[in-house]
Amino acid sequence: AQSVTQLDSHVSVSEGTPVLLRCNYSSSYSPSLFWYVQHPNKGLQLLLKYTSAATLVKGINGFEAEFKKSETSFHLTKPSAHMSDAAEYFCVVSDDSWGKLQFGAGTQVVVTP
Amino acid sequence: NAGVMQNPRHLVRRRGQEARLRCSPMKGHSHVYWYRQLPEEGLKFMVYLQKENIIDESGMPKERFSAEFPKEGPSILRIQQVVRGDSAAYFCASSPYQGQGETQYFGPGTRLLVL
Repeated sequence: AQSVTQLDSHVSVSEGTPVLLRCNYSSSYSPSLFWYVQHPNKGLQLLLKYTSAATLVKGINGFEAEFKKSETSFHLTKPSAHMSDAAEYFCVVSDDSWGKLQFGAGTQVVVTP
Repeated sequence: NAGVMQNPRHLVRRRGQEARLRCSPMKGHSHVYWYRQLPEEGLKFMVYLQKENIIDESGMPKERFSAEFPKEGPSILRIQQVVRGDSAAYFCASSPYQGQGETQYFGPGTRLLVL
């Protein structure tokens, strides 16, 4: 069985400051992990994914995430927030041979000037 | 290469009517997934289809919901006799390959409102 917990439902940051979105997962097998972003009334866009290669994964728009097996975590970071980063972010796990995705509840990010 | 297309983008139905949601995967993608997003919640898996086959429907409600992905044409998610609790955003995603770790590309979603 797989599940994912996003530890913060809302995060507010000032423009230009670092962003940290926390995610913990549980999985019976070696999982694949993803971060997706959803802007208001839009579809989901893949930011990055981990599939058992390098544990530090770099994604689009300056985001990166580190897979820590010992902590069962996959936190998303960005050194400097931009106003366009305001959106909802989903941590996603998959350990299913069909590729079925299990989503976290999401973290709403607000960026203030 | 056009992305995943879904239509309609918005759909309003009265209780008891039928809702048909369409999803055209990206060109060359033969794997389609449907997810539902209830208000203030994350997405939940509904069904996984390949051309002419339902592979995993473990997330589908037992009644009123059905899905198909015919040899020709888009994938269809059909909801019969809609109820207010069916109001949600329905997203489809496609992938060129099956399996854990494969990237799924999402459409813009269909937002269903049941009055």
